[in-house]
Amino acid sequence: GAVVSQHPSRVICKSGTSVKIECRSLDFQATTMFWYRQFPKQSLMLMATSNEGSKATYEQGVEKDKFLINHASLTLSTLTVTSAHPEDSSFYICSARPGQAYNEKLFFGSGTQLSVL
Amino acid sequence: DAKTTQPPSMDCAEGRAANLPCNHSTISGNEYVYWYRQIHSQGPQYIIHGLKNNETNEMASLIITEDRKSSTLILPHATLRDTAVYYCIVRDRIYNQGGKLIFGQGTELSVKP
Repeated sequence: GAVVSQHPSRVICKSGTSVKIECRSLDFQATTMFWYRQFPKQSLMLMATSNEGSKATYEQGVEKDKFLINHASLTLSTLTVTSAHPEDSSFYICSARPGQAYNEKLFFGSGTQLSVL
Repeated sequence: DAKTTQPPSMDCAEGRAANLPCNHSTISGNEYVYWYRQIHSQGPQYIIHGLKNNETNEMASLIITEDRKSSTLILPHATLRDTAVYYCIVRDRIYNQGGKLIFGQGTELSVKP
């Protein structure tokens, strides 16, 4: 199946710094990628939809100035958590949709555990 | 997209079939049923999906009732590695805002030796 690579798998940072997470589709082109976050013992919460060459669409309640998304190529989307604070500590997961059809199944990265001290 | 209801947890003996139910009573004719699972601290893994016919692949079988208001995911011979949270998701095949998946709470399946 299609492979989505996410990097780094784990990051620890100080409060106030920014952290960038990369999501790459390794063997397919992804016009659309999605970013999720997950707190312990909870389900995945969709944060935003990332479209190549255009601005991301954020879900209600997600601060677009805090979670910057860039999808500059068909194989790479990045999520930057700006001025991170301890409450931003979470498991961040990306997913990508191969093909143009909206009913294509999504493939997920292995996730990034962010810990903000 | 229609809402789904799953039991929060289930146990299954190793080697036996695991039957995971999902209720989606408000499903519309254009909505597919997808199943994903998430092993602890990993990204979700696609299992199977279907519209109205039963489906089978190398991982599992999906049984959808005739009225499409519920479905069952069947893992025929569960192993310890199948211990995970299983998510049943309903998604419109056309009007799904770019194909996004909205996750519910899922069922935590524990396979025991």
